[in-house]
Amino acid sequence: DTGVSQDPRHKITKRGQNVTFRCDPISEHNRLYWYRQTLGQGPEFLTYFQNEAQLEKSRLLSDRFSAERPKGSFSTLEIQRTEQGDSAMYLCASSYLGQGARETQYFGPGTRLLVL
Amino acid sequence: EDKVVQSPLSLVVHEGDTVTLNCSYEVTNFRSLLWYKQEKKAPTFLFMLTSSGIEKKSGRLSSILDKKELFSILNITATQTGDSAVYLCAVGYGGATNKLIFGTGTLLAVQP
Repeated sequence: DTGVSQDPRHKITKRGQNVTFRCDPISEHNRLYWYRQTLGQGPEFLTYFQNEAQLEKSRLLSDRFSAERPKGSFSTLEIQRTEQGDSAMYLCASSYLGQGARETQYFGPGTRLLVL
Repeated sequence: EDKVVQSPLSLVVHEGDTVTLNCSYEVTNFRSLLWYKQEKKAPTFLFMLTSSGIEKKSGRLSSILDKKELFSILNITATQTGDSAVYLCAVGYGGATNKLIFGTGTLLAVQP
């Protein structure tokens, strides 16, 4: 399968614990996005990378959140000291810059986080 | 404030019916409008629209964009139970970023 993959698919944790999610984009896609989706809502933008550079972060991304894309390939999203309000589906998408206005983001299956 | 509004919020139809889903937007630095289908997992890409008045078509699905009136519609003809899903409209914006702003989606239920 050459689509976007995410790991784990589900995560249950206790409040206060740290969690880390991984995203592997479509190969040769140089842009990678993270979104968060809560029940009944559309995904909300969190941050994005162009190659290994993190170029924008939403104000939704508090100091407890950090994302990396060390070699411009896979990315990780870490949440420290989780809170119940962090419970959501975390979606990763990748795209190829170079398509101009036709740049299309393809989504992974998501990681569903439940904070107890 | 940038926003994308979809209507209706939910829709129940019978197999064979034709449905029209609506998406309106107010977004600065508009780049494109995308439609995704979401079935309890990740959104799957349906269409990308960048130009007004040009219909995109894939099987029983079609979509068109009106950049003057700032809206798009997604049509599904001869609906099937497998079309049951949440249909998300998203607008790519933000200059170089091309981040997406999503509507809340339309929940479509197709009954046999």
